[in-house]
Amino acid sequence: EVQLVESGGGLVKPGGSLRLSCAASGFTFSSYSMNWVRQAPGKGLEWVSSISSSSSYIYYADSVKGRFTISRDNAKNSLYLQMNSLRAEDTAVYYCARGKVGYMSRWGQGTLVTVSS
Amino acid sequence: DIQMTQSPSTLSASVGDRVTITCRASQSISSWLAWYQQKPGKAPKLLIYKASSLESGVPSRFSGSGSGTEFTLTISSLQPDDFATYYCQQYNSYSELTFGGGTKVEIK
Repeated sequence: EVQLVESGGGLVKPGGSLRLSCAASGFTFSSYSMNWVRQAPGKGLEWVSSISSSSSYIYYADSVKGRFTISRDNAKNSLYLQMNSLRAEDTAVYYCARGKVGYMSRWGQGTLVTVSS
Repeated sequence: DIQMTQSPSTLSASVGDRVTITCRASQSISSWLAWYQQKPGKAPKLLIYKASSLESGVPSRFSGSGSGTEFTLTISSLQPDDFATYYCQQYNSYSELTFGGGTKVEIK
């Protein structure tokens, strides 16, 4: 069974940093691109970042470019999102999602990031 | 940037109704469109990819159509489990994926 389990969310002050992790199981992690998608409270879905299976291609939404860094460790079946210079508007549930030709075939349950003083 | 616009934003319907949700792209995306269902407090679930391909395990009452800039998601006979929010997503541009604003399907 495909499983994606996010962790690392929590409360952080504006300007602070946080690192999210996503542990994957039940599929060949190294064969799939991966994504981070977020959802602010009561709002819609917003794509954050994508990384190809071998990390050769990495993309970011303009809203996080220069502040967030996506990475993966195929040996550990894990996806990461390093978030720096956090702002109140980054408050959201962050989902990791398995990619397939650009759409997202499986999603984790999400981890909540709250940026507040 | 490719903008995705969904309509309506809210839809009130009854069990057994035929429901149609529209998604429009600001430029042609060929058939590179997916639809997701999200229930409160849960992660989104893939329903349709490549505009009209049904994801494995998704009931056949869900169908998608369209190409270019206009797309529709149809639920042929609304079931109690279908009350949820639906999102479209374009993947014509890998470097900038975008979602529609969502359509909430409510009980009439």
